[in-house]
Amino acid sequence: DSGVTQTPKHLITATGQRVTLRCSPRSGDLSVYWYQQSLDQGLQFLIQYYNGEERAKGNILERFSAQQFPDLHSELNLSSLELGDSALYFCASSSRTGGGSPLHFGNGTRLTVT
Amino acid sequence: DQQVKQNSPSLSVQEGRISILNCDYTNSMFDYFLWYKKYPAEGPTFLISISSIKDKNEDGRFTVFLNKSAKHLSLHIVPSQPGDSAVYFCAAEDNQTGANNLFFGTGTRLTVIP
Repeated sequence: DSGVTQTPKHLITATGQRVTLRCSPRSGDLSVYWYQQSLDQGLQFLIQYYNGEERAKGNILERFSAQQFPDLHSELNLSSLELGDSALYFCASSSRTGGGSPLHFGNGTRLTVT
Repeated sequence: DQQVKQNSPSLSVQEGRISILNCDYTNSMFDYFLWYKKYPAEGPTFLISISSIKDKNEDGRFTVFLNKSAKHLSLHIVPSQPGDSAVYFCAAEDNQTGANNLFFGTGTRLTVIP
């Protein structure tokens, strides 16, 4: 158990809809990361938050947004969903940034857009 | 543009033998390299890492080798055990922005045959 909790585990929705994925980091971790894994692809970095502030942005679409709340949990909002957004979305947390510090991943949310 | 590549989607090895998983990268500015293991329906879990200033790091049955001139790293598992059967992801850390963004490969599925 990594200590990172993601909800829901599965989400099925229709094109054009909006969904929110939730992540609770490990106790004490200030950094939260969001990754997307599409079929047969590696994990693509979307965005990182550190103690409530956006720290780094990757290949995140404008239709997607995220935030980290004062209690350090994070939400990833996906809107105007398209079929190609179907993927596994992972949240990860770490106690510090850089220096090869490992990320601790949740078990992911599988999003299916029909 | 895939900065981290794992060109072998799968690998099968007999129990007790050595497993060698390979990874290539293109960005010479990567600071750290990490290996993650992923079981079905779970998030990736950290396995071992290596700093770009080293050429070898060992942890029990797992050893990672780094060849900076060739931009290549490999993970050796000796002896391989059936419980090692999983998808292995190579990841590289870019600290240029002050955030530890990880760039992942597409993974290699290792099957250890009893």
